[in-house]
Amino acid sequence: GQSLEQPSEVTAVEGAIVQINCTYQTSGFYGLSWYQQHDGGAPTFLSYNALDGLEETGRFSSFLSRSDSYGYLLLQELQMKDSASYFCAVGPNYGGSQGNLIFGKGTKLSVKP
Amino acid sequence: DTAVSQTPKYLVTQMGNDKSIKCEQNLGHDTMYWYKQDSKKFLKIMFSYNNKELIINETVPNRFSPKSPDKAHLNLHINSLELGDSAVYFCASSQDPPFLADQFFGPGTRLTVL
Repeated sequence: GQSLEQPSEVTAVEGAIVQINCTYQTSGFYGLSWYQQHDGGAPTFLSYNALDGLEETGRFSSFLSRSDSYGYLLLQELQMKDSASYFCAVGPNYGGSQGNLIFGKGTKLSVKP
Repeated sequence: DTAVSQTPKYLVTQMGNDKSIKCEQNLGHDTMYWYKQDSKKFLKIMFSYNNKELIINETVPNRFSPKSPDKAHLNLHINSLELGDSAVYFCASSQDPPFLADQFFGPGTRLTVL
């Protein structure tokens, strides 16, 4: 089967650092993506890891370990506007272009003052 | 200069009706998608089209029929609406197959079936 596991909720304070973990089990694997969704809004792309290691984009970083089927999103210097749901997503390899993106159930991040 | 647009934003209708949701992208992307997000925020792909051809059709009731008149448009028609169809439907697009590039999502259409 295919599955992605991520915590359902995380709470942190402004200015802090928070890490949202994602473990996956898929029949194939191309890469791990992260999306942010504010309440009432649309998912927006944050980052993509195809290779092991850390990718940094401003205050956000994403990490992937293919051997552990594990990744995380790291948010630094948290701001109130970072309160949102964060989804990890993987693209399984069905061969050719027949694959699709599978989303985790999302982690609701609440940033407190 | 909206990248991915959907109409309508809200749709309230009675059980048994037929309705359509339209989607357009002006990003020049080759691939477009329809996702369903339920009340628990679970985001599930329904369909994917690449250059007007269906490439993914997940386990979706055949009451749902996508139509792509050109690669910039992907519409979703739903027949005989049921209560369980109530959800937010997102259209998205990407340049490459979904697992190789980021996807751009439309604002969503909140469908309520009474």
